[in-house]
Amino acid sequence: DIQMTQSPSSVSASVGDRVTITCRASQGISGWLAWYQQKPGKAPKLLIYAASSLQSGVPSRFSGSGSGTDFTLTISSLQPEDFATYYCQQANSFPRTFGQGTKLEIK
Amino acid sequence: EVQLLESGGGLVQPGGSLSLSCAASGFTFSSYAMSWVRQAPGKGLEWVSAIINSGGSTYYADSVKGRFTVSRDNSKSTLYLQMNSLRAEDTAVYYCVTSRGSYYVYWGQGTLVTVSS
Repeated sequence: DIQMTQSPSSVSASVGDRVTITCRASQGISGWLAWYQQKPGKAPKLLIYAASSLQSGVPSRFSGSGSGTDFTLTISSLQPEDFATYYCQQANSFPRTFGQGTKLEIK
Repeated sequence: EVQLLESGGGLVQPGGSLSLSCAASGFTFSSYAMSWVRQAPGKGLEWVSAIINSGGSTYYADSVKGRFTVSRDNSKSTLYLQMNSLRAEDTAVYYCVTSRGSYYVYWGQGTLVTVSS
């Protein structure tokens, strides 16, 4: 099974900051990676697919990059509604696997 | 509008069984793969199972293989998850999810399964 490791597990930041979250796969997954945002009590929301493609309706301050084993999610200028937990997920093979999550908190 | 409505969650004793359903609407159900993803209280997301559009192939996480069975009825636009030999660690919110090109675009609201004596 492919293991997905996110870092950091949590991060504190302020509105307007630039934040980067990383995700590492235990083996190469080409560009088969998604990023999701989850707010408390809600279902996750797809932000980025195929490592760098922005899902329809998602603000352009979100961007993704990477290929192979190393990936990043960047939020260019944090907005109040961005404080949430973020997960990466590989879609290269079954079983699908998620990272453990990164909680983005207000500083 | 795509809608996924899970049902069937509840309290069950360890070793017991439960069947979840997910009624889909707003898209051509028979054209898309479907999955179940769960989240234990206060924990991260865990992929559970997937089934291709025809139902001809199914996939499971190691943690549920041999105990859970995913199926679908395309005539009823409904996805199912039969859960047997339930354990305390199966306690979670179970989400029904539909894929678009391998990525989980649409999620249900989730149904809570609690395994406890």
